[in-house]
Amino acid sequence: NAGVTQTPKFQVLKTGQSMTLQCAQDMNHNSMYWYRQDPGMGLRLIYYSASEGTTDKGEVPNGYNVSRLNKREFSLRLESAAPSQTSVYFCASSELQSGANYGYTFGSGTRLTVV
Amino acid sequence: DAKTTQPPSMDCAEGRAANLPCNHSTISGNEYVYWYRQIHSQGPQYIIHGLKNNETNEMASLIITEDRKSSTLILPHATLRDTAVYYCIGYYTGGFKTIFGAGTRLFVKA
Repeated sequence: NAGVTQTPKFQVLKTGQSMTLQCAQDMNHNSMYWYRQDPGMGLRLIYYSASEGTTDKGEVPNGYNVSRLNKREFSLRLESAAPSQTSVYFCASSELQSGANYGYTFGSGTRLTVV
Repeated sequence: DAKTTQPPSMDCAEGRAANLPCNHSTISGNEYVYWYRQIHSQGPQYIIHGLKNNETNEMASLIITEDRKSSTLILPHATLRDTAVYYCIGYYTGGFKTIFGAGTRLFVKA
């Protein structure tokens, strides 16, 4: 099925460990995003990539890095995980032009626990 | 992107219409109003969007006031499966830092 695929779905890390969350979309969208969602909260933007070759900080970028590997793939890296990074992480994609499409398409999320 | 304001929670009886309000008084002329919903901890799902005119699709209707400062999402015959968090956002071309607030938690009761 077309859409946004995130891996892994679940992950437990020890404090200080590193890991990379993977995201791929097959809708030929130009823009991709990483959000985090803490319990009972809305989504907060970590980083986004407006188009292939560009990345920019969102609302809560500290502790994260991203790579737009190609048009399809956008990865999120935690270099030294902290308990405060325990959250559900969502990747999304969209076209540049609004109004003529369905806005954001989200993946199913990665549930990360840092102990 | 426009800041939106929504009530934190609402109840609705099964089979009745659910009317979810959203205030977006700071919305600019080129910003569309989008509605998403999030069931349990799944990724948010697109519902509907509009600019000025009212819109309807198989899931819902969107009523936008003439001054575009507020809108209402209408689920005409709510079912238990419509229990979810509903997000109203303003979005425009080039507006990448979209803010998803806390949304409205809709409880549909039998």
